[in-house]
Amino acid sequence: DAKTTQPNSMESNEEEPVHLPCNHSTISGTDYIHWYRQLPSQGPEYVIHGLTSNVNNRMASLAIAEDRKSSTLILHRATLRDAAVYYCILRKGAQKLVFGQGTRLTINP
Amino acid sequence: KAGVTQTPRYLIKTRGQQVTLSCSPISGHRSVSWYQQTPGQGLQFLFEYFSETQRNKGNFPGRFSGRQFSNSRSEMNVSTLELGDSALYLCASSLFYNPSQETQYFGPGTRLLVL
Repeated sequence: DAKTTQPNSMESNEEEPVHLPCNHSTISGTDYIHWYRQLPSQGPEYVIHGLTSNVNNRMASLAIAEDRKSSTLILHRATLRDAAVYYCILRKGAQKLVFGQGTRLTINP
Repeated sequence: KAGVTQTPRYLIKTRGQQVTLSCSPISGHRSVSWYQQTPGQGLQFLFEYFSETQRNKGNFPGRFSGRQFSNSRSEMNVSTLELGDSALYLCASSLFYNPSQETQYFGPGTRLLVL
């Protein structure tokens, strides 16, 4: 299974953008990059995913490096509700999802 | 559309007992995955079922087993419970038409405490 590396924790202020990095230097050409987040006392929820091109949805943007060895999840205007653990995961075909330790994001009011 | 439901939400058992947890996927979803979450090990994959067949399996002992029914509902069983089995057990469902691109929808989890 290709591995991802994320910082253990990050902190930001409300209404500011947040950039959450993820390194995946052993990514293969068919690995999709998925981001999930887990709010306190809840199951994980999907945030966004992509293969090669940058992706945007109502929750966030995903910027993927040209060599695909890293990616960045961008929350454009963080709110207190965005405080969660964010997981960057690679998935190829029907292989199992492997969650790392994720990044604990703290949002200051 | 109703989300993924898991029952029971909370459970207390003693060492040596066995436990069965249930998961009902989102209507139309054919794949169900199970995960164990503990403070020390994080989120760990247990197994995944599709069309009543186990498709993927994590690195857990044989005491952990599961099955999927024809209506896609799934159960997981843990026999001979140990203290270390205390955890949040999460179930997730997906369509499984194109797994690498699909979203997994997680339930709220069953919190198991083994005394």
